[in-house]
Amino acid sequence: GAGVSQTPSNKVTEKGKYVELRCDPISGHTALYWYRQSLGQGPEFLIYFQGTGAADDSGLPNDRFFAVRPEGSVSTLKIQRTERGDSAVYLCASRETSGSFHEQFFGPGTRLTVL
Amino acid sequence: AQTVTQSQPEMSVQEAETVTLSCTYDTSENNYYLFWYKQPPSRQMILVIRQEAYKQQNATENRFSVNFQKAAKSFSLKISDSQLGDTAMYFCAFMGTQGGSEKLVFGKGTKLTVNP
Repeated sequence: GAGVSQTPSNKVTEKGKYVELRCDPISGHTALYWYRQSLGQGPEFLIYFQGTGAADDSGLPNDRFFAVRPEGSVSTLKIQRTERGDSAVYLCASRETSGSFHEQFFGPGTRLTVL
Repeated sequence: AQTVTQSQPEMSVQEAETVTLSCTYDTSENNYYLFWYKQPPSRQMILVIRQEAYKQQNATENRFSVNFQKAAKSFSLKISDSQLGDTAMYFCAFMGTQGGSEKLVFGKGTKLTVNP
């Protein structure tokens, strides 16, 4: 079946601009995660959705970052007034929530470059 | 807060040989999961192996096995019969069971190169 998809694959923007990054999770997966991976680092947690609601947004670095998941499926990560330090790969992951442990399945990421 | 440390930024191994990647972590939780993920240049994170902390037996998946030492908070990955396709970044990750989000905490990664 289809895996997690993310669009665009690459995004180049200028400092101060607004960007949206999209994640399509695996069908039926109610849990969705956003992670940010800076160069030479491991992914860092940003936000977790259970259904439509953000159950844990403790990883969002500041109020320029916001994410939504209005219908409990597709999610959009929104970054306002981008800064050069926002340049990174943004990874999305989804998993089932019924039963016991469930693996997080990752998408290929969106590489964001802020000039 | 949990932390994960991978002390080997880069490793190399000859094809068909065995290599061990190190990982230590810090947590106050008693029940948790540990993982090794592989990230090739395509950026896709792929789960290699997982270990439940309450299980004493070390997990194995074909050529991949772990050495889980709970008291020492150590979780190393052994790759046997290394193949060229094993070349990738490898990330150790921790997932606690308290708090509900089951978010992953990653180390900085080890770049593994398998040489022909």
